[in-house]
Amino acid sequence: EIVLTQSPGTLSLSPGETATLSCSASQSFGSSYLALAWFQQKPGQAPSLLILGASTRATGIPDRFSGSGSGTDFTLTINRLEPEDVAVYYCQQYGTLPYTFGPGTKLEIK
Amino acid sequence: EVQLVESGGGLVRPGASLTLSCVASGVTFTDAWMTWVRQVPGKGLEWVGRIKSKSDGASVDYASPVSDRFTISRDDSKNTLYLQMNSLKTDDTAVYYCSTYNCLETGCTGYWGQGTLVTVSS
Repeated sequence: EIVLTQSPGTLSLSPGETATLSCSASQSFGSSYLALAWFQQKPGQAPSLLILGASTRATGIPDRFSGSGSGTDFTLTINRLEPEDVAVYYCQQYGTLPYTFGPGTKLEIK
Repeated sequence: EVQLVESGGGLVRPGASLTLSCVASGVTFTDAWMTWVRQVPGKGLEWVGRIKSKSDGASVDYASPVSDRFTISRDDSKNTLYLQMNSLKTDDTAVYYCSTYNCLETGCTGYWGQGTLVTVSS
């Protein structure tokens, strides 16, 4: 089973700043080396899809959100932070069964 | 508008069985790969399993902790996804979400239900 590690565990930033969230995999996903998604879960809500294929924004996601990386190291970047970005962000690999989630990064806005 | 509505959660004793349902609307259910994800309240997300569309073989894959106790199935005539859970353990206590995604030429969108809480306790 591929284990995903996310860092930092908690990130506290001010509005307008840039958040950089990391997701590291215990091994590559084989031929599906970009099979990495990012989800946002706001307090009290179900998760929502932000990024798939490591860097493709889901429909309706603002371009402040961007994903990058391949192989075993991936990054979610959120530019121009807004108060509404307060959430826990999860990465998920869907390249190798069983699919797995990272433990999440909690983003706080000061 | 796409909606996924889970139901069937509740309080059960260890060792009991329970079946969750997820009714989908606004999406071509027959083409959808459907997924169950669970979340212990206050904790992270855990992938439970996924069933492919019938046209892709309707194969099912599970996470290791549930592979010998849970069964995912679908009834395309009812636009409904099921999660049959047997031999429930206290560790299975969680909110269970169904989810899917839909990709068009303009991009992909993910959809999640609101979740249904399963509590396993004596």
